[in-house]
Amino acid sequence: EVQLVESGGVEVQPGGSLRLSCAASGFTFGDYAMHWVRQAPGKGLEWVSLIAWNGGSTYYADSVKGRFTISRDNSKNSLYLQLNSLRAEDTAYYYCAKGRTNSGWSAFEYWGQGTLVTVSS
Amino acid sequence: EIVMTQSPATLSVSPGERATLSCRASETASSNLAWFQQKPGQAPRLLIYSASIRATGVPARFSGSGFGTEFTLTISSLQSEDFAVYYCQQYNNWPPYTFGQGTRLEI
Repeated sequence: EVQLVESGGVEVQPGGSLRLSCAASGFTFGDYAMHWVRQAPGKGLEWVSLIAWNGGSTYYADSVKGRFTISRDNSKNSLYLQLNSLRAEDTAYYYCAKGRTNSGWSAFEYWGQGTLVTVSS
Repeated sequence: EIVMTQSPATLSVSPGERATLSCRASETASSNLAWFQQKPGQAPRLLIYSASIRATGVPARFSGSGFGTEFTLTISSLQSEDFAVYYCQQYNNWPPYTFGQGTRLEI
């Protein structure tokens, strides 16, 4: 059974930093592209970032480019998102999601339960 | 960036009825289109990918169709557990991957 479990969400002040983690199990983690997607409370879904199966390529939404960094450790079956220079508008549930394949042209097949990041003074 | 527009924003239907949800892309998404279901307090769940292929475990009452810029999700006979918010998403031209704003299916 595929499982994705996010952690690391906390309340942080504007300008602060934190690191989110996603622990994967039930599949060969290193074979798949992985994503972060966020959802502000009561709002729609916004894609945040993609990392290729081998970590060799990364992509970001314009809204987070230069502030967020995606990474992975295939030996630990783990995905990460480093969030810097946080703003109030970054407040959201952050989900990790597994691509159906190792290609970027594939649907988001499985999602974690999400972790809440709150940016507030 | 491809803009995805869903209609209607809210759809009121009764159990046992048929529901038809629409999604339009501002430029071609080819068949690289997915549909997700999200219930309150839960993560999104993949229902349909490649515009018309049901994901693992998705009941046959869910079907997807379309190509290019016009897509439809049909639920043939609504069950009580189907009342949720539905999102379409394109993965043809990225980054960014883009979602529609959602259709709320309510009784």
